[in-house]
Amino acid sequence: EIVMTQSPASVTVSPGESVTLSCRATRNLSNNLAWYQQRPGQSPRLLISGASTRATDVPDRFSGGGSGTEFTLTISSLQAEDSAVYYCQHYNGWPRTFGRGTKVEIK
Amino acid sequence: EVQLVESGGGSIQPGGSLRLACAASGFTFDKYALSWVRHVTGKGLEWVAGISGGEFTYFPDSVKGRFSISRDNSKNTVYLQMDSLSAEDTATYHCVKEVGYNIGWFFDSWGQGTLVTVSS
Repeated sequence: EIVMTQSPASVTVSPGESVTLSCRATRNLSNNLAWYQQRPGQSPRLLISGASTRATDVPDRFSGGGSGTEFTLTISSLQAEDSAVYYCQHYNGWPRTFGRGTKVEIK
Repeated sequence: EVQLVESGGGSIQPGGSLRLACAASGFTFDKYALSWVRHVTGKGLEWVAGISGGEFTYFPDSVKGRFSISRDNSKNTVYLQMDSLSAEDTATYHCVKEVGYNIGWFFDSWGQGTLVTVSS
């Protein structure tokens, strides 16, 4: 089973700043990686697939990068609505697994 | 708009069984695979079952032999049958839509989830 490790576990940032979240896999995923956003009280929402392709209606403030075993999600010009837990998920084999999430809080 | 509405959660004693249902709308149901993903508080997300448009089923080892999944295309509904439940199965169970006919990709729509609590 591929283990997904996300860091940091949590981060607090000011509005307007940028933050980069990390996701690391124990095996080569090529670019078979997705990112999800889960706001408080809501279900997860797909943000990014293919490591860098934004889903429909996702603002271009969100950008995904990386390949292989190291991936990043960068959120620029942070807004209050970006306060959420962000999960990465691989789909390069079985079973598909998720990271444990990074909680982003806005000051 | 895609909608996935789960039902059937609740409290159950260890060793018991529960069947969850997910009513779907807003897309051509029989053209897409569907899965269940559970969220354990403090532990994150775990994919627990999937069914392709062709009704092939898939499970991780953690639930294989205890969970089964089925779909009724006439009712646009997918089911998760959970047997031999233990405290470790306590979670919110989300119905999720896969991006294609086959299993193995990512999830482009999520239901709000239904809470399952296994406790004596």
